[in-house]
Amino acid sequence: KNEVEQSPQNLTAQEGEFITINCSYSVGISALHWLQQHPGGGIVSLFMLSSGKKKHGRLIATINIQEKHSSLHITASHPRDSAVYICAVRDNYGQNFVFGPGTRLSVLP
Amino acid sequence: NAGVTQTPKFQVLKTGQSMTLQCAQDMNHNSMYWYRQDPGMGLRLIYYSASEGTTDKGEVPNGYNVSRLNKREFSLRLESAAPSQTSVYFCASSEALWGRREQYFGPGTRLTVT
Repeated sequence: KNEVEQSPQNLTAQEGEFITINCSYSVGISALHWLQQHPGGGIVSLFMLSSGKKKHGRLIATINIQEKHSSLHITASHPRDSAVYICAVRDNYGQNFVFGPGTRLSVLP
Repeated sequence: NAGVTQTPKFQVLKTGQSMTLQCAQDMNHNSMYWYRQDPGMGLRLIYYSASEGTTDKGEVPNGYNVSRLNKREFSLRLESAAPSQTSVYFCASSEALWGRREQYFGPGTRLTVT
């Protein structure tokens, strides 16, 4: 079983829609990261969180430690949000940083 | 600030050839990482360096070696390239190890081994 799973694998939305991407993990963690990988390949860190909720512009990330689940929300989606969104966790029991497989988002105008 | 830079951007090697991927950061970060990304798979950690002078294996270290030359630079060497090492390689850095601080990624090196 993969330590980090994401859903959906692919997502197509119309401009303006509210989008939710989910991440679930099976191990104890110290922090969870959300990353964005642009179509050109560049990777940018969006959020790092260990509890609660963080907001940056139209992006909101939440985490529920007890349920081992995090969500990334995009409000008023725009075609420039089209990217792969990756969830990653640091495993408390290992010396590793484990990445989910990513969610490919396409926002159509 | 340039952030994290990687060279080269693209490289084609024949099986058995060797090469070194270079990575440098100008953010005075302590920790640096090398990842590979294969189609349909998440990023996987090859090696990391918690601080200058230390290196440790990650999830997929076989076939690779690393050098933390100084605080700024962390290189990845393929001694005898194999087709299975065809991948996109990303270097990253962070102020502190792992999840305590966000990681900053380089633009990637696309490597093809024929």
